[in-house]
Amino acid sequence: EDQVTQSPEALRLQEGESSSLNCSYTVSGLRGLFWYRQDPGKGPEFLFTLYSAGEEKEKERLKATLTKKESFLHITAPKPEDSATYLCAVRNTGFQKLVFGTGTRLLVSP
Amino acid sequence: EAGVAQSPRYKIIEKRQSVAFWCNPISGHATLYWYQQILGQGPKLLIQFQNNGVVDDSQLPKDRFSAERLKGVDSTLKIQPAKLEDSAVYLCASSSRESYWGTEAFFGQGTRLTVV
Repeated sequence: EDQVTQSPEALRLQEGESSSLNCSYTVSGLRGLFWYRQDPGKGPEFLFTLYSAGEEKEKERLKATLTKKESFLHITAPKPEDSATYLCAVRNTGFQKLVFGTGTRLLVSP
Repeated sequence: EAGVAQSPRYKIIEKRQSVAFWCNPISGHATLYWYQQILGQGPKLLIQFQNNGVVDDSQLPKDRFSAERLKGVDSTLKIQPAKLEDSAVYLCASSSRESYWGTEAFFGQGTRLTVV
């Protein structure tokens, strides 16, 4: 069965303090790994798609990378507005189910 | 481009009552999903439609939950009768026709259900 494990569960950073979030996955044929941001009371907002090992995507202070077993979301010099829950999801072959991890709650203090 | 629309935003019901949620996906999106998100957890897939057909409902509690997608566009998710543990946010999402490489899904704001 496809599984996605995210760590840490929660992360507290000072403004400007860079760090990384981890997403480990087990999937029967990867057809995409997706990162989302979710603010309280809102639906997940799409950030990145990664398809193959070695691929990287960047957006402002965020960079996502992918290996054959895990993905990292690197946050460089975060700001308080980056505070949110970051969710990782994978699609498999076959019916391409979209399976989510439990997320990492990020809090950036000024 | 209009996003995924869901209604209502909030709903409070007593246990054993029934409730229905509505979703209108992004125009032209063939795939529609319903997820259940319990507080502090990631979204859990309940059912996935490809056009009118169900492609996965393995985690849908079929004794109380039902879903349909009308003419391959709008969808409704119903719970009857509701239990306390059904308290959660119900998220609808849609994505364009799947190719070999999976496409991203776009989410609505969700419906927060409280069962008392």
